Amino acid sequence: AQRVTQPEKLLSVFKGAPVELKCNYSYSGSPELFWYVQYSRQRLQLLLRHISRESIKGFTADLNKGETSFHLKKPFAQEEDSAMYYCSLYNFNKFYFGSGTKLNVKP
Amino acid sequence: KAGVTQTPRYLIKTRGQQVTLSCSPISGHRSVSWYQQTPGQGLQFLFEYFSETQRNKGNFPGRFSGRQFSNSRSEMNVSTLELGDSALYLCASSPHAPGGTGELFFGEGSRLTVL
Repeated sequence: AQRVTQPEKLLSVFKGAPVELKCNYSYSGSPELFWYVQYSRQRLQLLLRHISRESIKGFTADLNKGETSFHLKKPFAQEEDSAMYYCSLYNFNKFYFGSGTKLNVKP
Repeated sequence: KAGVTQTPRYLIKTRGQQVTLSCSPISGHRSVSWYQQTPGQGLQFLFEYFSETQRNKGNFPGRFSGRQFSNSRSEMNVSTLELGDSALYLCASSPHAPGGTGELFFGEGSRLTVL
């Protein structure tokens, strides 16, 4: 069964501190992994996808197939990074989302 | 391009009633999927439509149904509403057919409250 787990409901860090939002998944087949973000009063939107191996807004995520993890990282958090983050898995023509982590970056 | 449009944005119903939610995808997008968002549960997949056909379905009871029209607009219906159906219902469109992964473009959602 496909499952996405985000163990932290809330993560609070100070501005300039490193941040890591955890995502673990269980799967069968060949999943693709994504991170979606929802800023206050905005729509849910794609942040990055593992196949692109790109850095968006300073965030990166490495797919670790051995640990079945896709953690989202940023070396220096900014206040504008405060948002709700969802890890997502796409497999067998369906998207599966985690329960989300609220990131609060304090000044 | 206009984004994904969902109507109504807010609605209140009582138990036992039914509700229909509408979603207009981004022009040119033929795939529309629906999600239920609740605190603590995140987003749960309801179903996906492509070319007026339901291609995938999540684990929801038969009270939840949907359809897609020839112009790619989609509706979802919930019959015999229960208190637990209170949630934000999100619609997302994609330019990709099922099986072709790609970015989902979300609407602002329809917030349903069941009293």
